[in-house]
Amino acid sequence: NAGVTQTPKFQVLKTGQSMTLQCAQDMNHEYMSWYRQDPGMGLRLIHYSVGAGITDQGEVPNGYNVSRSTTEDFPLRLLSAAPSQTSVYFCASTRGQITGELFFGEGSRLTVL
Amino acid sequence: DQQVKQNSPSLSVQEGRISILNCDYTNSMFDYFLWYKKYPAEGPTFLISISSIKDKNEDGRFTVFLNKSAKHLSLHIVPSQPGDSAVYFCAVHYSGGSNYKLTFGKGTLLTVNP
Repeated sequence: NAGVTQTPKFQVLKTGQSMTLQCAQDMNHEYMSWYRQDPGMGLRLIHYSVGAGITDQGEVPNGYNVSRSTTEDFPLRLLSAAPSQTSVYFCASTRGQITGELFFGEGSRLTVL
Repeated sequence: DQQVKQNSPSLSVQEGRISILNCDYTNSMFDYFLWYKKYPAEGPTFLISISSIKDKNEDGRFTVFLNKSAKHLSLHIVPSQPGDSAVYFCAVHYSGGSNYKLTFGKGTLLTVNP
């Protein structure tokens, strides 16, 4: 079972460059989301999606774009990378039951120089 | 303003003893409380949860206690094992929000010494 798959696992960017973090899930989950983890900050929600074609902002959306063209995929785009976006990014999905249990990917570590 | 606080950044216990991890929250509208465990270089994994209508939920060595009057959540691990060494995040779900939106604490690093 693949679960939630994120690529790449590691990436180094220069300030101003753009890139896309890929996320795919094979559990037919409606809900997908992106979190970032920074030292001493816990996990903070960037963007989320309740289904194909529907996305919304989370707690820290600035500098990031998302789209959801299929149920399986939820890419996160950095349009012009900044050093403040150096972080570990986690994609998560859920069936949407009220417990709110999320299934996380293994993470993508991004460094912006 | 932090809605979920884990005031202890780290905790160290001996193998076989009890580990108690704490979490405080501010909003009485939170209806579900969860604990996630995270090993280095891995994604967080769900550990245990509790509904706001309960005050205790147990799963093997893990028990979560909820004190609504104090807005306090705790995770007890008994007995603690070296494999329990990880970062533990508490998370809360708001009853008026979408199911996938959880607010996380900053985490507590638990180290269980052999």
